[in-house]
Amino acid sequence: GNSVTQMEGPVTLSEEAFLTINCTYTATGYPSLFWYVQYPGEGLQLLLKATKADDKGSNKGFEATYRKETTSFHLEKGSVQVSDSAVYFCALLSGSARQLTFGSGTQLTVLP
Amino acid sequence: EAQVTQNPRYLITVTGKKLTVTCSQNMNHEYMSWYRQDPGLGLRQIYYSMNVEVTDKGDVPEGYKVSRKEKRNFPLILESPSPNQTSLYFCASGTENLRAFFGQGTRLTVV
Repeated sequence: GNSVTQMEGPVTLSEEAFLTINCTYTATGYPSLFWYVQYPGEGLQLLLKATKADDKGSNKGFEATYRKETTSFHLEKGSVQVSDSAVYFCALLSGSARQLTFGSGTQLTVLP
Repeated sequence: EAQVTQNPRYLITVTGKKLTVTCSQNMNHEYMSWYRQDPGLGLRQIYYSMNVEVTDKGDVPEGYKVSRKEKRNFPLILESPSPNQTSLYFCASGTENLRAFFGQGTRLTVV
């Protein structure tokens, strides 16, 4: 079946540090890949997505590139802010099953 | 404003007492889904619905029921809640490419 593995948190960084959150996946076919963000007390919001190999999703300074050869979709940001503190979820969409499969989430805390 | 609305936001109940968590979306989405979020496990899908009167089991359907009698509503029913169903529940609706919009969550405690 499909699965998503994220690096375990929590991750604590100082403001303006570089962020990488690793995500690898297992899926049949050619899934679409997503990063969702959950701010405290809120539901998940779509952060970025990529629908085919070598696509780069980007939003709010975050980027992730769909790497089929390494089955990865790592999230990066060059300079994090305190307001980026949240839980980040990697997810994949299986075209055949039409279900979103989520990773376990990574808690990010950015200190001023 | 496009939104997914869940009610209640917080609920404490006793084992065995039937409850319903409502979910409503105003975006005319065909796809709707329920997830539960537990520490260290991420989000796991309970049930989903591709359209009115069409529902399918997700990864953890045991102990839950759903119905989809109209496009905008997708209630989650716990006929006989148990403590292991204490969790944070999210409803989501989606577009054709299944970009999912999430509700704010329902924190359920079963004692």
